[in-house]
Amino acid sequence: GQNIDQPTEMTATEGAIVQINCTYQTSGFNGLFWYQQHAGEAPTFLSYNVLDGLEEKGRFSSFLSRSKGYSYLLLKELQMKDSASYLCAVRDEGNTPLVFGKGTRLSVIA
Amino acid sequence: GAGVSQSPSNKVTEKGKDVELRCDPISGHTALYWYRQRLGQGLEFLIYFQGNSAPDKSGLPSDRFSAERTGESVSTLTIQRTQQEDSAVYLCASSRSGTNYNEQFFGPGTRLTVL
Repeated sequence: GQNIDQPTEMTATEGAIVQINCTYQTSGFNGLFWYQQHAGEAPTFLSYNVLDGLEEKGRFSSFLSRSKGYSYLLLKELQMKDSASYLCAVRDEGNTPLVFGKGTRLSVIA
Repeated sequence: GAGVSQSPSNKVTEKGKDVELRCDPISGHTALYWYRQRLGQGLEFLIYFQGNSAPDKSGLPSDRFSAERTGESVSTLTIQRTQQEDSAVYLCASSRSGTNYNEQFFGPGTRLTVL
């Protein structure tokens, strides 16, 4: 079967750093994606990992460990506008559609 | 257009009626996906089109759901005899191709409410 697990909700303070974890069990692996989704809006792409290690893009970084079936999204210098749901998604093989987790709702407070 | 567009943005219908949702992908994108997102839930894959290949329908929840795509352009998702459990946001996404790293660009979604 396929299973993507991430925390349901997190709260963090403006200016701080937050790490959102994602674990996955899929029949295969061909890439892990993180998307941001503001309430009532479509998901927007944040990052992609297919090899082990850290990918950095501005205030956002994403890490992957394939042997552990684990990824995290790191958000630095949090801003109020970062309050959103963060979706972890895995492509299990070839060109198959993404399997999404239920998302982590992040609230950034002053 | 610059992005994926979907219509209508909102649809309210009565139980038992048929509905048709439309998606216009980004020009040149060969892959098109339909997902469903129930309130507070993650995205649930429904159907996937890749070029002229037979669509992957493995995510369709019942035979009341069907989708078509004309070439590499517009797609329509049809739900027959709608049920209250069909209420959700239906998201369409497209990508240049379905292989390896190809970012999926999402449309704004159609919010379907079945009364």
